[in-house]
Amino acid sequence: DTGVSQDPRHKITKRGQNVTFRCDPISEHNRLYWYRQTLGQGPEFLTYFQNEAQLEKSRLLSDRFSAERPKGSFSTLEIQRTEQGDSAMYLCASSSDVNTEAFFGQGTRLTVV
Amino acid sequence: AQSVTQLDSHVSVSEGTPVLLRCNYSSSYSPSLFWYVQHPNKGLQLLLKYTSAATLVKGINGFEAEFKKSETSFHLTKPSAHMSDAAEYFCVVRGNTGGFKTIFGAGTRLFVKA
Repeated sequence: DTGVSQDPRHKITKRGQNVTFRCDPISEHNRLYWYRQTLGQGPEFLTYFQNEAQLEKSRLLSDRFSAERPKGSFSTLEIQRTEQGDSAMYLCASSSDVNTEAFFGQGTRLTVV
Repeated sequence: AQSVTQLDSHVSVSEGTPVLLRCNYSSSYSPSLFWYVQHPNKGLQLLLKYTSAATLVKGINGFEAEFKKSETSFHLTKPSAHMSDAAEYFCVVRGNTGGFKTIFGAGTRLFVKA
């Protein structure tokens, strides 16, 4: 399978715990995006990497959120001190060029209890 | 700044009748535009894309969309709805400069009646 893969697919955590999600983009794609999608809403942009550089961050990305892409390949998204409002589907996408579409992973569904 | 507005949160059609899902966009620069579909418990799938080539874009499953710069619209159409088309549809705009941030519309839920 050469698509975008995300791990884990589901995560249940207690409020206040830290969680980390991983995204493996399509191998030749240098652009990687993170989105958050809550029930009944469209995905909301969180952050964007070109290779290992994090070029843009949404104001939605509070200081409890951090994303990395250390070698320009896979990326991680960490949420510290989780809150119930963080419960959502976290989507990762990758693309190869400005004029090409982004390919999405299946997402990681986070539930904070 | 970029934004996208999907004019209908829900659209209901009968099987075999035409589908029209409306989308208006705003962009400071010439944008790339996309339509994605999301079936329940499935990932987002690209239907079609516009990237400044032909203004009438054909996608998968019989869908097409027309880019109208004067109206800042990118409506999605299909001549004949099928039951399997029932899903959530997202119009997406991406700028071609800066961070190439991609903005999703709020989505249109398509219902198809037998």
